Amino acid sequence: DTGVSQNPRHKITKRGQNVTFRCDPISEHNRLYWYRQTLGQGPEFLTYFQNEAQLEKSRLLSDRFSAERPKGSFSTLEIQRTEQGDSAMYLCASTQRRQAPEQYFGPGTRLTVT
Amino acid sequence: KQEVTQIPAALSVPEGENLVLNCSFTDSAIYNLQWFRQDPGKGLTSLLLIQSSQREQTSGRLNASLDKSSGRSTLYIAASQPGDSATYLCAVTGANNLFFGTGTRLTVIP
Repeated sequence: DTGVSQNPRHKITKRGQNVTFRCDPISEHNRLYWYRQTLGQGPEFLTYFQNEAQLEKSRLLSDRFSAERPKGSFSTLEIQRTEQGDSAMYLCASTQRRQAPEQYFGPGTRLTVT
Repeated sequence: KQEVTQIPAALSVPEGENLVLNCSFTDSAIYNLQWFRQDPGKGLTSLLLIQSSQREQTSGRLNASLDKSSGRSTLYIAASQPGDSATYLCAVTGANNLFFGTGTRLTVIP
């Protein structure tokens, strides 16, 4: 068990560019979550998948954001036409089943939009 | 919507002191409550999870309690060490995701 991994760890991009982040959950975890955390705040829920199905999306997830989990394993989060307000830490977590104990978090991807 | 509040926002204590961090939530219909530690610029490390049917959990120098009816949880840290310096976040589990507080930033002074 190597834990949840995220790539890249840091991303600096210019406003208007598209960026994509990847999350690899713990193997055999069928639920995968994305959160966003801005400085001094707790993480806020963005979306989650059960296997390959995206079951819920927060209103924070504007139409510039899209997430996929095509084979029910790794997931990608894409942000199109980035804005400075998108600068944040993007965290991924996984768990084995609904209402399961402990969500396990990855190290996060820090996005800076200049 | 579930609201989670953590008090205090920041805390400084001398090494060796026992301390209590507080967490409150507005909707008692939760499944679990989880305490996390976050070092600057890093991801979250799970410390303790309390299921809704439980009243407390212990791990080493950490003890977390849960009072669902009053919407409160506490994290007790015994004999604090400089290595405990971090931000501590509590989160409650709703139907499908976690709701986080804004955290307590703890500094343990050697």
